[in-house]
Amino acid sequence: DAGVIQSPRHEVTEMGQEVTLRCKPISGHDYLFWYRQTMMRGLELLIYFNNNVPIDDSGMPEDRFSAKMPNASFSTLKIQPSEPRDSAVYFCASKRGTDTQYFGPGTRLTVL
Amino acid sequence: AQSVTQPDIHITVSEGASLELRCNYSYGATPYLFWYVQSPGQGLQLLLKYFSGDTLVQGIKGFEAEFKRSQSSFNLRKPSVHWSDAAEYFCAVGFNNNDMRFGAGTRLTVKP
Repeated sequence: DAGVIQSPRHEVTEMGQEVTLRCKPISGHDYLFWYRQTMMRGLELLIYFNNNVPIDDSGMPEDRFSAKMPNASFSTLKIQPSEPRDSAVYFCASKRGTDTQYFGPGTRLTVL
Repeated sequence: AQSVTQPDIHITVSEGASLELRCNYSYGATPYLFWYVQSPGQGLQLLLKYFSGDTLVQGIKGFEAEFKRSQSSFNLRKPSVHWSDAAEYFCAVGFNNNDMRFGAGTRLTVKP
């Protein structure tokens, strides 16, 4: 299995621009999670989906952040407009049922 | 509210020495407990997990962890550290396998 795939691996953008991060979960997994990792706040859960439906988005920092999962094999996390404080590593993870979560390699976002 | 504390930000051990990384949690019931490892530029890899049963859990790469309810702890141990173990280690706690809270992490340096 290819594991969780995230793209891009690195993204550099300017403040005010729209940023879209992509995730392909492991085939057959019915849960998908988006996390953000920063030095200041550590690893935080932003949102998770079950069977493509958002279950808990209480960790989404503000309305500038949105996440979608149009089908079982694809999810996006969008930031619009982006701000320098959004700079972080964003991880996607997936799992099947009560199994453990498997993490992708992350997307390092830098907002100038 | 559930929380997890890793008291040691950075630990240095000599190769071949034993290792213990501390993790304490705060939660009203017995939570799900996890240890993940993150190598530089990589995603998180699960080392081991505890849901119930035997309080001494064996994981990958020679790691083990012991759940001690009386101390609200889930410390990670390895009898003999290898240079390749240098990484950041995260303890996580969750009341289910979806909503996990991660500790701040402990960075392990291995001296030759």
